[in-house]
Amino acid sequence: GENVEQHPSTLSVQEGDSAVIKCTYSDSASNYFPWYKQELGKRPQLIIDIRSNVGEKKDQRIAVTLNKTAKHFSLHITETQPEDSAVYFCAASRLTGGGNKLTFGTGTQLKVEL
Amino acid sequence: KAGVTQTPRYLIKTRGQQVTLSCSPISGHRSVSWYQQTPGQGLQFLFEYFSETQRNKGNFPGRFSGRQFSNSRSEMNVSTLELGDSALYLCASSLSLRTGELFFGEGSRLTVL
Repeated sequence: GENVEQHPSTLSVQEGDSAVIKCTYSDSASNYFPWYKQELGKRPQLIIDIRSNVGEKKDQRIAVTLNKTAKHFSLHITETQPEDSAVYFCAASRLTGGGNKLTFGTGTQLKVEL
Repeated sequence: KAGVTQTPRYLIKTRGQQVTLSCSPISGHRSVSWYQQTPGQGLQFLFEYFSETQRNKGNFPGRFSGRQFSNSRSEMNVSTLELGDSALYLCASSLSLRTGELFFGEGSRLTVL
């Protein structure tokens, strides 16, 4: 089955700096890679996703890059703000109409310090 | 539009008991998935239902089961509870089987004593 590894497990940055979280996946058939943000005591929420036919996607301060050959993808957050502090999960899935099963990484606790 | 609703939000059980958790998906969403979240293991897939049929199953013992009703509402059941079953159980809904994006509920926090 799919295996997703995520690094680092914790990340502390100064407000205004950039943050990068990296994930690798094992199943070359995976074609959908979402990122979820989970604030303390809250539900996970999708912040950005990318499909395997795209190499990069950007949404304001957030961007995701995908390298299918190396089987890794990364989340980039620029100009970090205190409200970016949360746990971020990457995930991978093989979307073929058979279901939405996501395999998650173990999460990155991001702390943005003032 | 109401989000995914899970009940109960918190519950405490003792070893050997069983528990049933409920999930109401977003209106119009036909796929419901369940995930177990623990500090050590992260988010782990339990199963997914679509049109009252289980479409995918994760690597959990048979004590974990679920079902989906004709109105897309779903329940999951855990029998013969063990201490290690203590976790946050998250339900997520999606429009179809190939949508990708999951909308999570707030979860049901289960503590097994």
